[in-house]
Amino acid sequence: RKEVEQDPGPFNVPEGATVAFNCTYSNSASQSFFWYRQDCRKEPKLLMSVYSSGNEDGRFTAQLNRASQYISLLIRDSKLSDSATYLCVVNIGGSNYKLTFGKGTLLTVNP
Amino acid sequence: DGGITQSPKYLFRKEGQNVTLSCEQNLNHDAMYWYRQDPGQGLRLIYYSQIVNDFQKGDIAEGYSVSREKKESFPLTVTSAQKNPTAFYLCASSIDRAEPTYEQYFGPGTRLTVT
Repeated sequence: RKEVEQDPGPFNVPEGATVAFNCTYSNSASQSFFWYRQDCRKEPKLLMSVYSSGNEDGRFTAQLNRASQYISLLIRDSKLSDSATYLCVVNIGGSNYKLTFGKGTLLTVNP
Repeated sequence: DGGITQSPKYLFRKEGQNVTLSCEQNLNHDAMYWYRQDPGQGLRLIYYSQIVNDFQKGDIAEGYSVSREKKESFPLTVTSAQKNPTAFYLCASSIDRAEPTYEQYFGPGTRLTVT
């Protein structure tokens, strides 16, 4: 299994749709999980950290399943401005400093 | 405003020249990082530094060097030994704290083109 693996997409959805991204990770000792978004030719920006109990921020919900080693991101009521690449990020190898980034899933929200 | 600055935004160099990329942060973060991103690839860690005057190699350190003389600054030198230096270089920083959640915040990046 790759260290961090995401469906590359692309996902094309209409405005208002609900879309879900999944990500699997290889190291069962991983402790830190994040979702970042990256706009074209820009830097990644932290969207949310993912906690064991799951967490929600407005239209965004992140879940962690340690048993199956995957994290998910759900976006409800998609907006045009949600169009971006979503990066799954995990600390691999037990170091809190060394994060491994997935290659990202491209989302396009269409009017 | 607090943040991370990288300069320049675009940089062009001839093959065989060393080039230094700047990264400065005023967030009072302890740790700083350098990544490179190639088209269609995930970010890859070049070097990171947890404290001043100390740094560790990441996954692709060959052909790069760094220094951390001040908490705010973590410059990256791309040497002529780096075989494929053309890439998007991203600097990040994070607070060093006890919880296992080290959110990293990124600067705007420098696009380096070597011909």
